Amino acid sequence: QKEVEQNSGPLSVPEGAIASLNCTYSDRGSQSFFWYRQYSGKSPELIMFIYSNGDKEDGRFTAQLNKASQYVSLLIRDSQPSDSATYLCAVNRGFKTIFGAGTRLFVKA
Amino acid sequence: NAGVMQNPRHLVRRRGQEARLRCSPMKGHSHVYWYRQLPEEGLKFMVYLQKENIIDESGMPKERFSAEFPKEGPSILRIQQVVRGDSAAYFCASSPALQGSDTQYFGPGTRLTVL
Repeated sequence: QKEVEQNSGPLSVPEGAIASLNCTYSDRGSQSFFWYRQYSGKSPELIMFIYSNGDKEDGRFTAQLNKASQYVSLLIRDSQPSDSATYLCAVNRGFKTIFGAGTRLFVKA
Repeated sequence: NAGVMQNPRHLVRRRGQEARLRCSPMKGHSHVYWYRQLPEEGLKFMVYLQKENIIDESGMPKERFSAEFPKEGPSILRIQQVVRGDSAAYFCASSPALQGSDTQYFGPGTRLTVL
C-alpha cells in the first residue's frame, strides 16, 4: 500500500462544474495535509493546507479532512480551463512530506 | 521578495560526469528539502537540511548522492558519476520552521539530462 494514494486520472469535467479530487493516506499519525497544483513542466504550487477535521474554504477551493477515514479531498467550484493541471496531495510524516503521484484534471471549455 | 531560486534550470551531463545543483531558499527560511520527480510520477523526498546540518537523508541513494547546506551560500545537491537513470527534475523547497508545522515553497527545479 502506498503511503499517499491518488487516482491518477485524468479527471475530466466541463467548465463551470465542481471537480472533486480525492486522496487517502496510510499513516494515522500524520498531522498536516497539503494540496499542490503542478502545471506541466512547472514546479508545484501550494493551493491549500489543512490540519483539522472538517472543511476549509479558500475562494473556489475547499479542502476536506477526515482523519478517522484517513481521507483528504479537494473540491474546485466553478472549474475553469486554467485549472487543468496535476493536483498533488501531500502528507507530513515526521520530518518528511510524502507526496501522492497526483491526479490529472482536465477542464473542458 | 525573491522566491526559492534554483540553478541551473537545465543541466546536461554525460554518463560518469558530476552534476551539481544549487538552491537558495526564500529569505528568512532556514529549512531546505530536495525532491526528485521522474516523468509522470510524483515527487520523491530525498533529503531535509538545516544550516550546516543534515536532518533526514533517508530518501537519498546511499552512493553517488550527497547534499549540503553551508552556513553561507546555497544548498548543493551533488550527484557523482551520473547514470541515465538520474535524468529527472530535481526540486528544492524551503520553509521557515520545523517541517510539519509549516508549508514548503518550491523552486522552479533543475532538469537534469544524462546522455
